[in-house]
Amino acid sequence: KAGVTQTPRYLIKTRGQQVTLSCSPISGHRSVSWYQQTPGQGLQFLFEYFSETQRNKGNFPGRFSGRQFSNSRSEMNVSTLELGDSALYLCASSPGGGAEAFFGQGTRLTVV
Amino acid sequence: EDKVVQSPLSLVVHEGDTVTLNCSYEVTNFRSLLWYKQEKKAPTFLFMLTSSGIEKKSGRLSSILDKKELSSILNITATQTGDSAIYLCAVERGTYKYIFGTGTRLKVLA
Repeated sequence: KAGVTQTPRYLIKTRGQQVTLSCSPISGHRSVSWYQQTPGQGLQFLFEYFSETQRNKGNFPGRFSGRQFSNSRSEMNVSTLELGDSALYLCASSPGGGAEAFFGQGTRLTVV
Repeated sequence: EDKVVQSPLSLVVHEGDTVTLNCSYEVTNFRSLLWYKQEKKAPTFLFMLTSSGIEKKSGRLSSILDKKELSSILNITATQTGDSAIYLCAVERGTYKYIFGTGTRLKVLA
């Protein structure tokens, strides 16, 4: 059974640009959550989607947005990138949003 | 403000030692507490705890929740070099919203 796939694995962008990250959950999983991980702040919850609906979101500015498609794949978008957005972005999938989530390998975003 | 605090921040032990990792929380609308192990990038799920005083075990790892003290511990006995990782604690606040601690970095020396 394939795991959670995140693309791209690495990304370098300049300030002011926008970026889109993709997450393909485990087949059959309908919940996808996104997290930002930085050395100083640890793992911070961005948002969670289930069946194309955002059910919950963390305390991030509106520059961070996401969506989920009918096949449960999810994308997150960050507009007007700032240096502080440099981080590892992880997504996790689960059947219904429960705790036993499976994480992808992450996308390492560097903003220069 | 909701917060999850883990201690110690880092720990170096020798193979065979027993370690205890701590997680304390102040979170409104607590639903569950979770432990994850992060070796390289993708955290892997270890335990979910919802009831106070009930120990969950998996091999050499065990964890227990104390709702009165708003805390949990993760024990690892007979540590091995393969246990070297960052151990993350997360609390589910309300529904489907998880607040993570910054983790405890464990290094086990041969």
